[in-house]
Amino acid sequence: AQKVTQAQTEISVVEKEDVTLDCVYETRDTTYYLFWYKQPPSGELVFLIRRNSFDEQNEISGRYSWNFQKSTSSFNFTITASQVVDSAVYFCALSDYNTDKLIFGTGTRLQVFP
Amino acid sequence: EAQVTQNPRYLITVTGKKLTVTCSQNMNHEYMSWYRQDPGLGLRQIYYSMNVEVTDKGDVPEGYKVSRKEKRNFPLILESPSPNQTSLYFCASSSTGTVNNEQFFGPGTRLTVL
Repeated sequence: AQKVTQAQTEISVVEKEDVTLDCVYETRDTTYYLFWYKQPPSGELVFLIRRNSFDEQNEISGRYSWNFQKSTSSFNFTITASQVVDSAVYFCALSDYNTDKLIFGTGTRLQVFP
Repeated sequence: EAQVTQNPRYLITVTGKKLTVTCSQNMNHEYMSWYRQDPGLGLRQIYYSMNVEVTDKGDVPEGYKVSRKEKRNFPLILESPSPNQTSLYFCASSSTGTVNNEQFFGPGTRLTVL
């Protein structure tokens, strides 16, 4: 069965520190998609990135970067030079290509202190 | 403005009193889905719909019903709510008929069942 594990329940850092949020997934599919979503204190869910299983290139978007490694079934998210506005709960998710379900991890709460 | 709307945003009800949470999107999206968010459990998919008149169970469908008579609307029905359905509910939509694209989430509905 598909599963997403975000072992870090909560992380606290001081502004300008780099921080990595871990995501480990399990699937038997060869075709699948991975996602990251952000939930700021205001509560809405914001899409950050989608990656398909055939594209292992790392992605960088400003201070955000993602490291996808099929060998370790991981899709980690790094924030460089964190800012207070990065404080949020971050969810990793895996799509089940065969059933069209989306499986979320339990989330990592990131607190960035000034 | 492209958006997913949910109503009501907050609801307090009593056990057994039928209720409906509405969800509507104005982006002509084919895929729509309902999730519940609970502390420590992340988001879990309740039901999803790949198109009009096509619905399927997610991971936690018990106690819920949905319908998809029109493309834009995907109401969530609790015929006999119980306290364990107290949760934060999100509706989401996606541009294709699959879960493999970015999902746009509504603002959430906080439901309390007494």
